[in-house]
Amino acid sequence: AAGVIQSPRHLIKEKRETATLKCYPIPRHDTVYWYQQGPGQDPQFLISFYEKMQSDKGSIPDRFSAQQFSDYHSELNMSSLELGDSALYFCASSAVGLAGAIDTQYFGPGTRLTVL
Amino acid sequence: TQLLEQSPQFLSIQEGENLTVYCNSSSVFSSLQWYRQEPGEGPVLLVTVVTGGEVKKLKRLTFQFGDARKDSSLHITAAQPGDTGLYLCAGITSGTYKYIFGTGTRLKVLA
Repeated sequence: AAGVIQSPRHLIKEKRETATLKCYPIPRHDTVYWYQQGPGQDPQFLISFYEKMQSDKGSIPDRFSAQQFSDYHSELNMSSLELGDSALYFCASSAVGLAGAIDTQYFGPGTRLTVL
Repeated sequence: TQLLEQSPQFLSIQEGENLTVYCNSSSVFSSLQWYRQEPGEGPVLLVTVVTGGEVKKLKRLTFQFGDARKDSSLHITAAQPGDTGLYLCAGITSGTYKYIFGTGTRLKVLA
């Protein structure tokens, strides 16, 4: 079965550079979530989109922005990178089921961002 | 404020032993998931529970959702080294599109 695809899998950037992470949800999933996971920590919710509109916002820094496109893929744009941004970034997708009930999230393999 | 508390946080056991991981909250969840994550990889879904009192079995893993849908447990029978990993519970409250993750349980099964 198709899974969530994330690219790139690994990314190395210098401080103050920008980075763009991409997420391709499972086909027919209309909701995308972004998470940041530091070493030894549980995933921290950043932002989510439903039908191309932002549906919820978590602890996403102002330096980061994201959007969901017409084909439901999503991009997380990160500017003025800091050392503390080094982490695993996960994308997850789900579908909104009957009566607006949200369905289970499925996670991608993640992008490991290293900021030097 | 962490809404989902997992216990224990760390567990190291011998192969063949049984263990139970708990996920507790004061909030009511419309559904709750258990994931297992290996280092550098994304969390992999193990099970979704939605009905209070529901019990689901996945081979040697038994998952239970509390009657009030505020807590859940994961029981592993005859643990194997391949069970080693980070176990995460995650729940979603009604009317939101955000999952809340538990604090995680790091399990190590020694051969």
